[in-house]
Amino acid sequence: AQSVTQLGSHVSVSEGALVLLRCNYSSSVPPYLFWYVQYPNQGLQLLLKYTSAATLVKGINGFEAEFKKSETSFHLTKPSAHMSDAAEYFCAVSDPGGYQKVTFGIGTKLQVIP
Amino acid sequence: EAGVVQSPRYKIIEKKQPVAFWCNPISGHNTLYWYRQNLGQGPELLIRYENEEAVDDSQLPKDRFSAERLKGVDSTLKIQPAELGDSAVYLCASSAPGQYGYTFGSGTRLTVV
Repeated sequence: AQSVTQLGSHVSVSEGALVLLRCNYSSSVPPYLFWYVQYPNQGLQLLLKYTSAATLVKGINGFEAEFKKSETSFHLTKPSAHMSDAAEYFCAVSDPGGYQKVTFGIGTKLQVIP
Repeated sequence: EAGVVQSPRYKIIEKKQPVAFWCNPISGHNTLYWYRQNLGQGPELLIRYENEEAVDDSQLPKDRFSAERLKGVDSTLKIQPAELGDSAVYLCASSAPGQYGYTFGSGTRLTVV
């Protein structure tokens, strides 16, 4: 069964600083990986996805993530944090192809300090 | 295009009462999912529909939860009777054939008192 581990349930960064949210996966086959963002009292919005093409994936709002098979990681980064990035971020994993049941991590709350 | 629409946004009920949530997916999205998100946790799948067929309901507590997707479009998730532990956000999502990554609705926040 696939799973993801998000290291750090809360992350604080200063406005303008690098954002790094960590995600490690466990999967018996090369997985598909996703990052979602959830703003308060809203549903989840897809930020970006890795589906076995380019290992560096660019998403919306300036975020990107790199799939590293050797490290079983899919960390989310953004060069410069903005106040509007404050939200909860979820890493998710699924088997490739066919029906891909998606399993979510527990989430990381990002706080951006002015 | 309209997104995934859920109603109500908030619901407060007493334990042992019934409750129902409604979801209208994006037009053309034949796959519909119901997820439950407990406080401080990631979403967990309750049931997945392909058109009107429930193809994965292994995580649905069938003693009190039921769902339907008549005509393969909108869907209703019901809890009867509700328990205190059912307090959570219930999220609906949909996806099109071959689409990886879901579109979620805003969710229904259920509080059972």
